[in-house]
Amino acid sequence: ETGVTQSPTHLIKTRGQQVTLRCSSQSGHNTVSWYQQALGQGPQFIFQYYREEENGRGNFPPRFSGLQFPNYSSELNVNALELDDSALYLCASSLGLADYYEQYFGPGTRLTVT
Amino acid sequence: AQSVTQLDSHVSVSEGTPVLLRCNYSSSYSPSLFWYVQHPNKGLQLLLKYTSAATLVKGINGFEAEFKKSETSFHLTKPSAHMSDAAEYFCVVSDKEGAQKLVFGQGTRLTINP
Repeated sequence: ETGVTQSPTHLIKTRGQQVTLRCSSQSGHNTVSWYQQALGQGPQFIFQYYREEENGRGNFPPRFSGLQFPNYSSELNVNALELDDSALYLCASSLGLADYYEQYFGPGTRLTVT
Repeated sequence: AQSVTQLDSHVSVSEGTPVLLRCNYSSSYSPSLFWYVQHPNKGLQLLLKYTSAATLVKGINGFEAEFKKSETSFHLTKPSAHMSDAAEYFCVVSDKEGAQKLVFGQGTRLTINP
C-alpha cells in the first residue's frame, strides 16, 4: 500500500450531473497529480497541484477542475458529466516536482456515467 | 511532446521462462523513463526508473530494463516469470515541459501460463 487513499471507490452518475472525487496524499507529500484511465488505455494526465496551486494541465476541458487544500489533500471536480467521462480516476502524490521524486498512486475511483 | 509506444498489447509466457516487454520512446531531450505495473483492483506501482544514470536499471521483483539511446528503446525483462507477475505493465516517459507529467503507453497485458 502506498498511503495514498481515494474516495469513493465506485460511483455511478447520470449524464449532466456533477461529481467530486477526493484524494488524500501520502504524509509529507506536497504535490498531487490526477489521471484519467479509460478502459483498456493507459492513464492520461489531467492536471497537477503543487502547494495549493495548479502547476500544469493536460488536454482536458475546463469542466474538469480541482483543488488542493493546506493539508495537501485534493479534489477533482467534473461538471456536466458526459458518457465518455466513465473511467478510473487516479491520483498520485509526490514529495516535489523533480523527476527523481517517485509518484505514489492511489487505488483509484471508478466513475460510471449513464 | 514526449511519447512512448508499447509494441505488444498482450504477451503470454510460461512460468519459469523469460519475460520481454518492449517499449520505444520519442523525446526531444534526454528522457526520464519508467515502468509501472498495475494489478487488478490495485493502484499503479513503480517497477523501476531511468533518469540518465546507469543505462541498465534494476527494479523490484527481479525486473530490469536497459536504456538504448541509439534504438530509442527501454525494454523490460525478467529472467524467469512467476505466476504473480501476471498484470498490466505500462512504459512511461516524464514530460519535463511544465508539470511533473507522466505520459503513459497503452499498456501490455502479461499472462503467465502454468
